[in-house]
Amino acid sequence: KAGVTQTPRYLIKTRGQQVTLSCSPISGHRSVSWYQQTPGQGLQFLFEYFSETQRNKGNFPGRFSGRQFSNSRSEMNVSTLELGDSALYLCASSRGLETDTQYFGPGTRLTVL
Amino acid sequence: GENVEQHPSTLSVQEGDSAVIKCTYSDSASNYFPWYKQELGKGPQLIIDIRSNVGEKKDQRIAVTLNKTAKHFSLHITETQPEDSAVYFCAANSPNTGNQFYFGTGTSLTVIP
Repeated sequence: KAGVTQTPRYLIKTRGQQVTLSCSPISGHRSVSWYQQTPGQGLQFLFEYFSETQRNKGNFPGRFSGRQFSNSRSEMNVSTLELGDSALYLCASSRGLETDTQYFGPGTRLTVL
Repeated sequence: GENVEQHPSTLSVQEGDSAVIKCTYSDSASNYFPWYKQELGKGPQLIIDIRSNVGEKKDQRIAVTLNKTAKHFSLHITETQPEDSAVYFCAANSPNTGNQFYFGTGTSLTVIP
């Protein structure tokens, strides 16, 4: 079974631009969660999508948004990029029940200049 | 919401020695506790997990213990090897919020040959 895939793996943007990251979950998984990982803050939860609906949301500004498609693939968008948005963005997929394991992708390394 | 604390933040051990990482959580309703290993340039990989109906689980050199009364759980790695060097994260689920997890801040383990 193929794992979670994320594209692109690396991205360099400048302040003020916007970016879209993509995540393809494990086949059969309906939940996709997004996390921001930085050296100082660890793994911070952005949001979770389940069956095309945002089920949970972390404490991030409205510049961070996401969506999920009918095939469970998910995208997250960051508008008006700031230097502090430089991070590793991870997505994780699961079947979606509260005790289901989340499986992580390799991440997208975003650098904002 | 849930708060997960993890200690220590860094840990160095000699090859062959044991390593112990400890986590505490705040939400008594949490009932699923996975542990992840993250190597440089990769996403976190699940290494072991435990559910609240058991107190201990072992998989070869790795074991996890859970004390629900004290709200803490620990990862034990025996006979450490250089390839165990990585960052380890504990996590706790947040029941009734779908598949949301809260993560500890990570422990950087170095195994010295």
